[in-house]
Amino acid sequence: DTEVTQTPKHLVMGMTNKKSLKCEQHMGHRAMYWYKQKAKKPPELMFVYSYEKLSINESVPSRFSPECPNSSLLNLHLHALQPEDSALYLCASATSGRGNTGELFFGEGSRLTVL
Amino acid sequence: SQQGEEDPQALSIQEGENATMNCSYKTSINNLQWYRQNSGRGLVHLILIRSNEREKHSGRLRVTLDTSKKSSSLLITASRAADTASYFCATEQHSSYKLIFGSGTRLLVRP
Repeated sequence: DTEVTQTPKHLVMGMTNKKSLKCEQHMGHRAMYWYKQKAKKPPELMFVYSYEKLSINESVPSRFSPECPNSSLLNLHLHALQPEDSALYLCASATSGRGNTGELFFGEGSRLTVL
Repeated sequence: SQQGEEDPQALSIQEGENATMNCSYKTSINNLQWYRQNSGRGLVHLILIRSNEREKHSGRLRVTLDTSKKSSSLLITASRAADTASYFCATEQHSSYKLIFGSGTRLLVRP
C-alpha cells in the first residue's frame, strides 16, 4: 500500500467553527508533513513530525494545531480560522525525516474554504 | 520561506518536443527532488538527485545538478499531452532537513 489518504477532500467552515483534517498512511513511514498550498503557488511547509514528535513548526499560527496520535495518523485541528487560510492542505509521509529523507508521498489534499 | 526559483514560470510546447525546466536554490542541500502536480491534486515524486550526483535519468526524464551554481534542470524528452502539469523542484536543506519547494513551472503540451 503506497497511499496517503486524506479526509475530508473538501471542507467549508465558518470562522468560529472547529474542524479537523485527517491523514493516514500504512507504509511504515516515520515522518509526516503538513503543507499548505494556495492557488498557483508552491506548497509551503507547515509542520513535520518525526517518530511521532513534532520536529519542525514553521511559525504557524496557533489556530492550526497538529497532532500525531501514532505513526500512521496525522491530524490538523482547525479553530477560529480566517478567510485567508482557505487553501489546499497537503499531507505527506517519508521514511524517516532525519536527513536524506528521500521522496515524499503525498495525499490528494483537503481543500479548505473558510467563510 | 521559499528556497528555490524556477524558470520559466510557464512553458507551452508541441507534443513530441522536449521540455526543459530550471531550478535555482540558495542554501546547501542534501538532495534535490522534482515533483509533478496535476491541477488541484496531490504531488507525485518524479526523481531525486543527491548532492554528490551530477546527472540522473529515469525513463524520459533527465535531471542535472550543479551544486557550484546551486541550480538544477529537468528535461522531459518526447513530451506527451499527458505531461501537462505543474512541475516543482524541492530541496532538502542540509542544516534543517526541511523539504522546501520552488516556485514551479506550468507545462502545457499541445496535442
